[in-house]
Amino acid sequence: NAGVTQTPKFRVLKTGQSMTLLCAQDMNHEYMYWYRQDPGMGLRLIHYSVGEGTTAKGEVPDGYNVSRLKKQNFLLGLESAAPSQTSVYFCASIPGQRFYGYTFGSGTRLTVV
Amino acid sequence: GENVEQHPSTLSVQEGDSAVIKCTYSDSASNYFPWYKQELGKGPQLIIDIRSNVGEKKDQRIAVTLNKTAKHFSLHITETQPEDSAVYFCAASPNTGNQFYFGTGTSLTVIP
Repeated sequence: NAGVTQTPKFRVLKTGQSMTLLCAQDMNHEYMYWYRQDPGMGLRLIHYSVGEGTTAKGEVPDGYNVSRLKKQNFLLGLESAAPSQTSVYFCASIPGQRFYGYTFGSGTRLTVV
Repeated sequence: GENVEQHPSTLSVQEGDSAVIKCTYSDSASNYFPWYKQELGKGPQLIIDIRSNVGEKKDQRIAVTLNKTAKHFSLHITETQPEDSAVYFCAASPNTGNQFYFGTGTSLTVIP
């Protein structure tokens, strides 16, 4: 069981470039989330999904788009990267019932220059 | 929305001593409070959680307490060991769904 797998682990982008971060889970979880982690700011929710084909905005959605075409995958896209999007990105999932903690991936460190 | 505050931001203790990390939350509808441990270069891992109908929960050397009236909850680590060194995050989940709001983290260093 791999749990939650994020690819890539590291990436450097130039301002204005685009990229997609992939999150894959093999636990048949319903809910999936994308967070960004910045020093002194904890984890902030970007977008989330409560099931295949659904997405919703979180606390800091601007500049990002997401898709959940398959239950096991949740993609985070940056259409035109900006230096303010330099961060560590974490994907997480839960079964869907209440009172479960997240299972997190190991993160993607993105630098935009 | 929910606002979670966490203190202290850094904490150093001698090996064998206890460590306490405190969090407060603002939304009285929050009813689930997990704690996560994040080691360097890794994603956060759930270490213990508590529901709002429980005042205290223990798991070996770690415990969590919840005071719903005061809207605060705390993580207690006893007999600390060097491998407890990590960043710890508290979180709260209100009734709006399975969203979690995180504190800003506490960097714990256990000095051998």
